[in-house]
Amino acid sequence: GESVGLHLPTLSVQEGDNSIINCAYSNSASDYFIWYKQESGKGPQFIIDIRSNMDKRQGQRVTVLLNKTVKHLSLQIAATQPGDSAVYFCAETPLYNFNKFYFGSGTKLNVKP
Amino acid sequence: GAVVSQHPSWVICKSGTSVKIECRSLDFQATTMFWYRQFPKQSLMLMATSNEGSKATYEQGVEKDKFLINHASLTLSTLTVTSAHPEDSSFYICSAPEKFEQFFGPGTRLTVL
Repeated sequence: GESVGLHLPTLSVQEGDNSIINCAYSNSASDYFIWYKQESGKGPQFIIDIRSNMDKRQGQRVTVLLNKTVKHLSLQIAATQPGDSAVYFCAETPLYNFNKFYFGSGTKLNVKP
Repeated sequence: GAVVSQHPSWVICKSGTSVKIECRSLDFQATTMFWYRQFPKQSLMLMATSNEGSKATYEQGVEKDKFLINHASLTLSTLTVTSAHPEDSSFYICSAPEKFEQFFGPGTRLTVL
């Protein structure tokens, strides 16, 4: 399958700071990218998504940036809270099979009070 | 949003036995569901695509005779781990798409002794 990887396996931030989680993908034909949050022992939860025809999308406290030139995706979390502590995955779904998701290796976010 | 459930949430079995895991879409129909496996501190690895009324399609390297998938109705897919061994111990997660969004189940923790 396609390769979607992350630069940083663990990220520790102070409560209230902004967090940036990065992801690299390898399939330039990918059309749709999603960030998921996974708490221990639970399934992934959708955070935010972005299509390949966009380079930025904002949600509540979260922003996803897509750089197709270097095949890089990032998730920015503003004013990080203890409840944001979890593992974050980016996922990619190829244009030719929209629902088939391939996940990156994940980044564990630790928010220190 | 839509809800996907899994049963059981955890199971412990002896080596050599078979274990069945159910994935249900509770408030929507899903002609396609997906099965993932996640080892500790690792990402989700797509195992197979479950297709209602037809054979599942497996990702490269996943043994179809080892991981039997049945998608007998529009709301239920089952994954049977046959002749389970300790190396099959993992967190198994299913997902189902609904209106261009993927919904994940809470996962099933399988421990093979």
